[in-house]
Amino acid sequence: AQSVTQLGSHVSVSEGALVLLRCNYSSSVPPYLFWYVQYPNQGLQLLLKYTSAATLVKGINGFEAEFKKSETSFHLTKPSAHMSDAAEYFCAVVGGSEKLVFGKGTKLTVNP
Amino acid sequence: DSGVTQTPKHLITATGQRVTLRCSPRSGDLSVYWYQQSLDQGLQFLIQYYNGEERAKGNILERFSAQQFPDLHSELNLSSLELGDSALYFCASSLVGQGNYGYTFGSGTRLTVV
Repeated sequence: AQSVTQLGSHVSVSEGALVLLRCNYSSSVPPYLFWYVQYPNQGLQLLLKYTSAATLVKGINGFEAEFKKSETSFHLTKPSAHMSDAAEYFCAVVGGSEKLVFGKGTKLTVNP
Repeated sequence: DSGVTQTPKHLITATGQRVTLRCSPRSGDLSVYWYQQSLDQGLQFLIQYYNGEERAKGNILERFSAQQFPDLHSELNLSSLELGDSALYFCASSLVGQGNYGYTFGSGTRLTVV
């Protein structure tokens, strides 16, 4: 069954520093992968998605992710963190029956 | 505004009671998905409807049921509520019956069972 593992439940960075949130996937078929962001007291917003086109995917708010089949990874990065990036981030993969299977989430804190 | 509307936003009820959560999908979307988000379980898929028919079932308890109506809105019914049912319940929608292109989520209903 398809699944994702997010490494690190909490990540803390300084404003202006690189953001790196890690996600590894397990899939028996070419995966469809996603990153979602959840701001406090809000729903989930799609940041970006990989659907087997380009391996480097650009999303909203300056985020991007690179699909690496050899490493079964889909890490999310942003060159320079902003205070407004503080949120919880979820990696997801399309699982059986075409539903999204989510990781446990990584809470990003941005320090001034 | 994502276009997916969930009501109510907050619900407080007692154990043993029954509640109904409502979701209106984004205009044109035929699929509705329900997810439960709790601190210990994370985001758990409950059930999917596509154009009025149940398409997939996840970790949904027998005390829970859902349906999608001809106008495509969906309701999630939770009965015989227990303290452990306290969670955020999200509805999401997509154009087709596949999650391959991602979903659009509503802002959720926060259920507190006391």
